[in-house]
Amino acid sequence: GAVVSQHPSRVICKSGTSVKIECRSLDFQATTMFWYRQFPKQSLMLMATSNEGSKATYEQGVEKDKFLINHASLTLSTLTVTSAHPEDSSFYICSARGNRGTGNSPLHFGNGTRLTVT
Amino acid sequence: GQNIDQPTEMTATEGAIVQINCTYQTSGFNGLFWYQQHAGEAPTFLSYNVLDGLEEKGRFSSFLSRSKGYSYLLLKELQMKDSASYLCAVVDSNYQLIWGAGTKLIIKP
Repeated sequence: GAVVSQHPSRVICKSGTSVKIECRSLDFQATTMFWYRQFPKQSLMLMATSNEGSKATYEQGVEKDKFLINHASLTLSTLTVTSAHPEDSSFYICSARGNRGTGNSPLHFGNGTRLTVT
Repeated sequence: GQNIDQPTEMTATEGAIVQINCTYQTSGFNGLFWYQQHAGEAPTFLSYNVLDGLEEKGRFSSFLSRSKGYSYLLLKELQMKDSASYLCAVVDSNYQLIWGAGTKLIIKP
């Protein structure tokens, strides 16, 4: 149980275009989803916390107008990287706790999306 | 500030035992996670400790000392597939996850 599906797994796009990444909880309802970014040989960096039915909470230094997050249902959150630039190339990972999950419940991770901006 | 320290890289031999340490300084403490992350993949949950002591789960065990701000992950009977990065993460007083940079474990035959 507690499967999180993330799509696409890899995407290559041209500079200036937008890319949408989907994160779905397949067998549970996720009231909260987390979006992380990970650069090579570095730790996970939390970008934003996505709450169903409300605006996402962005971490300091993350541009909310560039990284658009929509959590329209209890099973789907999307991250759109707008006007992508080569420096946005990274590994993006979503994660979720179940709707009964508390703050110290394990996170269930999607498989990640490798974004390459050329 | 909040800080989590882990060794950057460790090397061990197949069949042996290895201990990966994690020390932390955070604003409050509501538990500590260990995750395994293979290259190019997302992390997978290994263990959760919130009380002092040792939690054993098969070949993997995790230890916590809250007074010392210290945890370790113990891997026994190492297999080649255990080659991965091991991430330590602490839940702070606001229930935010603070991540360590991870320890890359290299297993040699």
